[in-house]
Amino acid sequence: GENVEQHPSTLSVQEGDSAVIKCTYSDSASNYFPWYKQELGKRPQLIIDIRSNVGEKKDQRIAVTLNKTAKHFSLHITETQPEDSAVYFCAARMDSSYKLIFGSGTRLLVRP
Amino acid sequence: DSGVTQTPKHLITATGQRVTLRCSPRSGDLSVYWYQQSLDQGLQFLIQYYNGEERAKGNILERFSAQQFPDLHSELNLSSLELGDSALYFCASSPAPDYGYTFGSGTRLTVV
Repeated sequence: GENVEQHPSTLSVQEGDSAVIKCTYSDSASNYFPWYKQELGKRPQLIIDIRSNVGEKKDQRIAVTLNKTAKHFSLHITETQPEDSAVYFCAARMDSSYKLIFGSGTRLLVRP
Repeated sequence: DSGVTQTPKHLITATGQRVTLRCSPRSGDLSVYWYQQSLDQGLQFLIQYYNGEERAKGNILERFSAQQFPDLHSELNLSSLELGDSALYFCASSPAPDYGYTFGSGTRLTVV
């Protein structure tokens, strides 16, 4: 069935360090992989996404990599800042389905 | 403002009652998705509509139902409410299947 595993569940880094969050998906037909950031009590917001025909995508301090063979993708945040503290969710969508299956989330804490 | 409007923002009701949550998608978006997020939990997919038709169903309880109207707004009906139904209910919309979602601000349901 459709499943997305996300690790770690919590991550604490020092301001200025890098943070990496990893996800694995089960369905090889998945072709779209977004990442969402959710601050406490607020809605999830799309921060970056990648499609299956691309191996890497970068947007300022945020980058996502995709390894289709291994069925995993990762979020990389460089030069972390306290305002990066939030819960991050990865997700995957199959070509034949419109729904996104979300990972369980990673609570990122950036210590000043 | 994301453009996805959810009402009400907060709802407190007693066990056994029935409530209706409403969602208006962004202008031009044909797909509407409903997700449930319990305290400190991930995003559980409930149901998806595309241009008035049900397209995908997740782990939605039989006590829950939804529909999308001709003007594309959607309603999620929750009946015979139990304490465990207390959660944040998010609606999201997208213009087409291969686009990312935009989430509304959610409805926080508290069952007492």
